[in-house]
Amino acid sequence: IAGITQAPTSQILAAGRRMTLRCTQDMRHNAMYWYRQDLGLGLRLIHYSNTAGTTGKGEVPDGYSVSRANTDDFPLTLASAVPSQTSVYFCASSVAGGFNEQFFGPGTRLTVL
Amino acid sequence: GQNIDQPTEMTATEGAIVQINCTYQTSGFNGLFWYQQHAGEAPTFLSYNVLDGLEEKGRFSSFLSRSKGYSYLLLKELQMKDSASYLCAVMDSNYQLIWGAGTKLIIKP
Repeated sequence: IAGITQAPTSQILAAGRRMTLRCTQDMRHNAMYWYRQDLGLGLRLIHYSNTAGTTGKGEVPDGYSVSRANTDDFPLTLASAVPSQTSVYFCASSVAGGFNEQFFGPGTRLTVL
Repeated sequence: GQNIDQPTEMTATEGAIVQINCTYQTSGFNGLFWYQQHAGEAPTFLSYNVLDGLEEKGRFSSFLSRSKGYSYLLLKELQMKDSASYLCAVMDSNYQLIWGAGTKLIIKP
């Protein structure tokens, strides 16, 4: 692995189903983030983690949950998907939650029908 | 509320210079970032400004005026590969990034 990987690349999901988006980084970054990107809108922060074992809510956390059991992995779970969660989801990481640049994964394109 | 404004779309000619503006109103300021995003790809970091003035990095430069809540990204000697969206983001008082919707830059031969 080099950088950040996300899985799956894309997914079509029936409304009401549970889905976990996976994110793994091998850069030993402390901070990790989940964003959604919708046409005409900026990236919006869903949840973040400043270090393993801690998580926080971003701008649009409702309907999503995260966990940070270790430094490398930061999965995002949709407990019961709804069509408004159709979006492109990006995972990102940075050395610390401050002034350092964020490195992004390739994204997951999710469609909820 | 927090707000980042940038033009939706701009068109420029290969070899020319283009300036992409960004204005912001945020709760606190801990720096301004510019990212490049090619269609269907992830954003990649271009520049970071926390003090007023111009930061130059090759063909790309970024300017910041904190008193005016204003930044611009200047791209010189445009190449076709510069066709992309350019995202402005401000780090607020909680050290979270607030993102603009992005400016789609179209380069014509």
